[in-house]
Amino acid sequence: GAGVSQTPSNKVTEKGKYVELRCDPISGHTALYWYRQSLGQGPEFLIYFQGTGAADDSGLPNDRFFAVRPEGSVSTLKIQRTERGDSAVYLCASSPDGNYGYTFGSGTRLTVV
Amino acid sequence: DQQVKQNSPSLSVQEGRISILNCDYTNSMFDYFLWYKKYPAEGPTFLISISSIKDKNEDGRFTVFLNKSAKHLSLHIVPSQPGDSAVYFCAIRGSGSARQLTFGSGTQLTVLP
Repeated sequence: GAGVSQTPSNKVTEKGKYVELRCDPISGHTALYWYRQSLGQGPEFLIYFQGTGAADDSGLPNDRFFAVRPEGSVSTLKIQRTERGDSAVYLCASSPDGNYGYTFGSGTRLTVV
Repeated sequence: DQQVKQNSPSLSVQEGRISILNCDYTNSMFDYFLWYKKYPAEGPTFLISISSIKDKNEDGRFTVFLNKSAKHLSLHIVPSQPGDSAVYFCAIRGSGSARQLTFGSGTQLTVLP
């Protein structure tokens, strides 16, 4: 596609539920990143994929968060037992090779009630 | 401990005048500094960057200055236009293999017609 696509654009879930957030990167981009942006803050790094493998997951806050990219294209961020503090905009970005000029999607706004 | 600080949450400038956005950092282990612009309900878009070996980079109305001794980065927009109104984030790119970005908290620029 022309840009990075993220679905859903908005997600409201109850505390304790499981959610999946999807990212469809630009075709051919090997590098894929997930970031999280809380209100009034800049985006914070969560995880980086190079191809199918998670090359760096040091930003994941705890083991409730997990992400996959099984075929090296679409990625899914999975959050178990959601908490109100997980409420944020989750941003996905992709780039051809991991260099700096990567393209962000519009994000998924997650609200945990 | 914030590695990247944008101390001004907001800035208002008259159309046609210069906008100066500032950023301070603490971590010297980086290879690039970047500026992103973000409109509401959209992902951040890359604006301009500067390598750690340079002190100035210019692209049209946008110029970024890097003062390594002061650990200070600034973005100059001249002349400012109403369409420049957005949140501006500075970010540093680590020199590790993941190339993840560390963002500041952003400055809301409003250009008044």
